Amino acid sequence: SQTIHQWPATLVQPVGSPLSLECTVEGTSNPNLYWYRQAAGRGLQLLFYSVGIGQISSEVPQNLSASRPQDRQFILSSKKLLLSDSGFYLCAWSVRSQGSKTQYFGPGTRLLVL
Amino acid sequence: GQNIDQPTEMTATEGAIVQINCTYQTSGFNGLFWYQQHAGEAPTFLSYNVLDGLEEKGRFSSFLSRSKGYSYLLLKELQMKDSASYLCAVFSGGYNKLIFGAGTRLAVHP
Repeated sequence: SQTIHQWPATLVQPVGSPLSLECTVEGTSNPNLYWYRQAAGRGLQLLFYSVGIGQISSEVPQNLSASRPQDRQFILSSKKLLLSDSGFYLCAWSVRSQGSKTQYFGPGTRLLVL
Repeated sequence: GQNIDQPTEMTATEGAIVQINCTYQTSGFNGLFWYQQHAGEAPTFLSYNVLDGLEEKGRFSSFLSRSKGYSYLLLKELQMKDSASYLCAVFSGGYNKLIFGAGTRLAVHP
């Protein structure tokens, strides 16, 4: 069966510090991968998605970046965090096919920028 | 533009039935999802509708009308554990890009 992992689970960082969040998927190959952010009391906002190694599409201009160094690894980064980067970061995967569209979410990372 | 509307909050009684509505206006449509999200946890998949009509899955059912841009999630025989946020999401465009509504926070009380 497929599983998706994210770490760390929670993170408290000062403004201006760097960020690296990691997501890995097991039990599937060539998945589509996604990074979402959920601000308190708000819906999920798609940040990045990837259809393959090294292929990243950005949905919202911001000071975050994403990378996919391996097929089942997706990394979210920032060089300098802003207060507005606080939120719940969720990684998701889906099967890369025309038929299946369901996205499955990891446990999330709660980030607080102070 | 892309817009998905859901009520912000709802309350219901244990054992009752509740209907959570979702209306959408998106540039493309290739299906609608409902997810359940308990506080502090990740969303979990509930249902997927791509054709008009009702899809039933145990205590949960989901309805879609593409011509009206409307869906609802029906929860029967409510249990306390159903207290959660319910997210409506539209699959719009390629690469499985989902557009989410802000979610409906459901509180089930005894």
